[in-house]
Amino acid sequence: GENVEQHPSTLSVQEGDSAVIKCTYSDSASNYFPWYKQELGKRPQLIIDIRSNVGEKKDQRIAVTLNKTAKHFSLHITETQPEDSAVYFCAAHAQGGKLIFGQGTELSVKP
Amino acid sequence: EAGVVQSPRYKIIEKKQPVAFWCNPISGHNTLYWYRQNLGQGPELLIRYENEEAVDDSQLPKDRFSAERLKGVDSTLKIQPAELGDSAVYLCASSLSGQLMEQYFGPGTRLTVT
Repeated sequence: GENVEQHPSTLSVQEGDSAVIKCTYSDSASNYFPWYKQELGKRPQLIIDIRSNVGEKKDQRIAVTLNKTAKHFSLHITETQPEDSAVYFCAAHAQGGKLIFGQGTELSVKP
Repeated sequence: EAGVVQSPRYKIIEKKQPVAFWCNPISGHNTLYWYRQNLGQGPELLIRYENEEAVDDSQLPKDRFSAERLKGVDSTLKIQPAELGDSAVYLCASSLSGQLMEQYFGPGTRLTVT
C-alpha cells in the first residue's frame, strides 16, 4: 500500500548549523509533497510544499527538493535557530486526495 | 481569519463510554478531514468530506466510529463505545476543494480512555 518513510527519527544540531530530513514515498502517482512543523501540544502547521512539476523550492531558510525518479524528497533548514526545534512531518499526496504522513523527525537545535 | 476550530481540547473518559468531537473548518473550505494521531506518529486519515459527502472513509473503523457533516460546514466525529486503544489526538483539517490543496489543521482533541 501507500507508504512514506522518514529519516532520521531524531536530529540534534547546534544553532547555526543546517538540518536535513529525508523522505521516500511508494506511490509513483504522488504529485504533492507538503512539510508540516508540529510543536509540542500544538497543531501541525504547513511550512513549505512542493509539487511534482518542480525539483526545488525555497522560502528563506527552508528549502525542499524532490527527486521523482528516485521517489524521495528532502527538507533543508539552514542557519537553524532554537525556535526551529519541533517535530517535522513530511507527507505525500496519494490517490483519492488523502495525505500519507511520515513518522516524524524530532529536531532539537541547541543554543 | 479564524483557523480551524475544534472542541473540546481535552477529553478523559472510561472505556465503553461514548465521546464526540466537533470541528468547524475555515470559512469557504469545502473539504474537511478527520485524522487520528497516535503518540510519536504522523496523522492518519480517518475520513474526508467534500461538502456533506464522505468521499473517503476507508480507514474509519465503522463498527464504533461515525461522522457527519450534515450541512457541509461543521462536522462531528463520534466513538461509541470507546476502547483503550482509541487514546490519541483527533485532528480536524480543512482545505479548498480540488486536488493538491493545502490542508490546515485544527488544534486537535486529546482523548484519553481509561
